[in-house]
Amino acid sequence: GAGVSQTPSNKVTEKGKYVELRCDPISGHTALYWYRQSLGQGPEFLIYFQGTGAADDSGLPNDRFFAVRPEGSVSTLKIQRTERGDSAVYLCASSLGGGVTDTQYFGPGTRLTVL
Amino acid sequence: DAKTTQPPSMDCAEGRAANLPCNHSTISGNEYVYWYRQIHSQGPQYIIHGLKNNETNEMASLIITEDRKSSTLILPHATLRDTAVYYCIVRYNAGNMLTFGGGTRLMVKP
Repeated sequence: GAGVSQTPSNKVTEKGKYVELRCDPISGHTALYWYRQSLGQGPEFLIYFQGTGAADDSGLPNDRFFAVRPEGSVSTLKIQRTERGDSAVYLCASSLGGGVTDTQYFGPGTRLTVL
Repeated sequence: DAKTTQPPSMDCAEGRAANLPCNHSTISGNEYVYWYRQIHSQGPQYIIHGLKNNETNEMASLIITEDRKSSTLILPHATLRDTAVYYCIVRYNAGNMLTFGGGTRLMVKP
């Protein structure tokens, strides 16, 4: 079946601009996660949704970052006033539920470059 | 989540078994061991997970020591396509996120 998809695959923007990154989870998965991966590092957790609500946003680095999942399916990660340090690969994952034995399946990521 | 320690890199000959170790000496009784891998420019791919017992699936085997302080991921017949960074993660019940460490960069050589 279809896996997690993310669009766009690449995004180049200028410092100070606003960007939106989209994630389409696996159909029927109630849990959705956003991670960020800098070059040479492992992914770092940003936010976790259970259904429509953000159950854990402790990984968001500052208030320029915001994410929504209004209908409990597609999610959008929004970054305001982008900075060069925001350049990274943004990964989305989904799982059937949020439990420890619910495997997270990752999308291919969106590579964000802030010039 | 408990901290894990993995060697930064390993080599393996094509066709041989690749044995990737992971130390998680502070693991607690209800934490699961998960393995993911990440091939260059792709998202992490789930491999296998376990709690106490050894596990096997079509991709790999997971051997967990009796005291659960360490584990080994075994790829029985490594191919060039298995070249990737392999991440060992311990995950607490009801903990949502995966905490990735540095992983092991496995290079499979012809």
